[in-house]
Amino acid sequence: GQNIDQPTEMTATEGAIVQINCTYQTSGFNGLFWYQQHAGEAPTFLSYNVLDGLEEKGRFSSFLSRSKGYSYLLLKELQMKDSASYLCAVMDSNYQLIWGAGTKLIIKP
Amino acid sequence: DAMVIQNPRYQVTQFGKPVTLSCSQTLNHNVMYWYQQKSSQAPKLLFHYYDKDFNNEADTPDNFQSRRPNTSFCFLDIRSPGLGDAAMYLCATSQKTGAPSEQYFGPGTRLTVT
Repeated sequence: GQNIDQPTEMTATEGAIVQINCTYQTSGFNGLFWYQQHAGEAPTFLSYNVLDGLEEKGRFSSFLSRSKGYSYLLLKELQMKDSASYLCAVMDSNYQLIWGAGTKLIIKP
Repeated sequence: DAMVIQNPRYQVTQFGKPVTLSCSQTLNHNVMYWYQQKSSQAPKLLFHYYDKDFNNEADTPDNFQSRRPNTSFCFLDIRSPGLGDAAMYLCATSQKTGAPSEQYFGPGTRLTVT
């Protein structure tokens, strides 16, 4: 079966760095997406990785290792507004998104 | 601004009373999706359209139907809502299928069943 695993919840301090991990097992791979979802709102796109390595976009970076079925989202200089759920999603061989349940990130002052 | 719009944002319906949720887009994307998302769970794909080509997920209950009369609009019909259908319903679009493409989401409709 297809499976995406990510921690349910993480807590970090304002100004710090946090890494949210995602492991996957899917039928085929056409890239991995990270989305941010604030409570009661729709997901918004953060990043897309299809090749191994690190993609940096401002305070957010995303890493992919296809051989390990592993990705992480790195958030630097955390701000209170970064409190949200972070969803990992893999595009399978049929170009359908397989979603993780999300990691709820709590930022403390 | 080009966007995905969902109406209403909040919908309350009675057990067994049909309800329709609507989605419109100004992005001119040819793919539209309907997801169901329950609290702290992953979005669950119900259907998607590639233009007018309808694709139903195997485990989507028959109680859920969808219509796409034109490129811009898509509707989700729940024929006889049950208490278990209370959820956030998300509409999304993407530019094409058959290739990796970012999905753009509307704000969602939160459905309550009483």
